[in-house]
Amino acid sequence: TQLLEQSPQFLSIQEGENLTVYCNSSSVFSSLQWYRQEPGEGPVLLVTVVTGGEVKKLKRLTFQFGDARKDSSLHITAAQPGDTGLYLCAGKNAGNNRKLIWGLGTSLAVNP
Amino acid sequence: DAGVIQSPRHEVTEMGQEVTLRCKPISGHDYLFWYRQTMMRGLELLIYFNNNVPIDDSGMPEDRFSAKMPNASFSTLKIQPSEPRDSAVYFCASSPREGWDTDTQYFGPGTRLTVL
Repeated sequence: TQLLEQSPQFLSIQEGENLTVYCNSSSVFSSLQWYRQEPGEGPVLLVTVVTGGEVKKLKRLTFQFGDARKDSSLHITAAQPGDTGLYLCAGKNAGNNRKLIWGLGTSLAVNP
Repeated sequence: DAGVIQSPRHEVTEMGQEVTLRCKPISGHDYLFWYRQTMMRGLELLIYFNNNVPIDDSGMPEDRFSAKMPNASFSTLKIQPSEPRDSAVYFCASSPREGWDTDTQYFGPGTRLTVL
């Protein structure tokens, strides 16, 4: 059974701090996605990483895919209250199967 | 453009009752997914369809759960009879068959189900 482990499970920080959250697996994925979910809403895609070692930036968010395509990290610089939410990673295997393997998420609270 | 639409947004029912959740995917999307989310187990895929045909239902918990997609613009997830352990948020998501975002799943706002 493929699993994605996310850490930390919960994180509470002050506005302006930096943070990194992790998504780890023993399995190789063809791609990995990060979603953010706000209370009362469904997850929304932030980014997809495909190539081992790939780094993508989305404003203050930096995503990295591990060289072996088994893990990923999300770094947020100068966190803002609007970054508050549940961050979920999801891995996809090669082929036509559209099924995603989901982590349990990191719940982030950024306090003003 | 309208996103994925789910109804109802909230459902409270008593154990043993039948519950029907509804979903309208984004127009033109060929893939439709049903998920259940709880604190303990996170997001669990229940079933997904391609062109109205169920492709993978290995996540459906037991025979009390059933899902249908009678046409490209409508799907239902039914629980009969419902049990308290079915209490969760149920999400519907859809994906396009072609294009740059084929791996992106677009989620609806969810239905919060409480079974008393």
